Amino acid sequence: GQQVMQIPQYQHVQEGEDFTTYCNSSTTLSNIQWYKQRPGGHPVFLIQLVKSGEVKKQKRLTFQFGEAKKNSSLHITATQTTDVGTYFCAGRRGGTSYGKLTFGQGTILTVHP
Amino acid sequence: DTAVSQTPKYLVTQMGNDKSIKCEQNLGHDTMYWYKQDSKKFLKIMFSYNNKELIINETVPNRFSPKSPDKAHLNLHINSLELGDSAVYFCASSRGDIQYFGAGTRLSVL
Repeated sequence: GQQVMQIPQYQHVQEGEDFTTYCNSSTTLSNIQWYKQRPGGHPVFLIQLVKSGEVKKQKRLTFQFGEAKKNSSLHITATQTTDVGTYFCAGRRGGTSYGKLTFGQGTILTVHP
Repeated sequence: DTAVSQTPKYLVTQMGNDKSIKCEQNLGHDTMYWYKQDSKKFLKIMFSYNNKELIINETVPNRFSPKSPDKAHLNLHINSLELGDSAVYFCASSRGDIQYFGAGTRLSVL
């Protein structure tokens, strides 16, 4: 079945440092999404990437979708303490029904003030 | 107004008991889901319903039975609870692929 690997599992940074999490799929994806889960909270949708090579920005967050549509990354510039949480990628394999997402294992980000 | 609401928020129960979790969404979405998140934060889809019809049924023990009385509601009933069922269960709804999650139900089986 489809696998989505996400690394690193944990990342500790000092406030102001940059942070990147990477996502790799064993199969080509129709799209990829990113979610953020604050400690004790629920996953919240951040963005969806659909096109090969797509890059999208949300303030300090930059999202990329690989040319082969099998990998993606989320980069945060100059982290803040409000960035703490778990970041998940989730992808849907081409040809599968809408909504059948496979989530990566998540990257738990800790930001030290 | 909460878009996806699930109850209860916490559930503590003994092994062998039967329990239910309820979920309701007011987003007008056609598709609803149940996810299980274990202690390592891994999110795994369990079930999905589209317009009251079961469309995704992953490898889940028969003790878990979803029920969708209408497209705004998806409940989860669990029979004969086991220690390994302890987790956070999230309900979600979607139109297309974007998922909107409820606040979660933290289930502890003692």
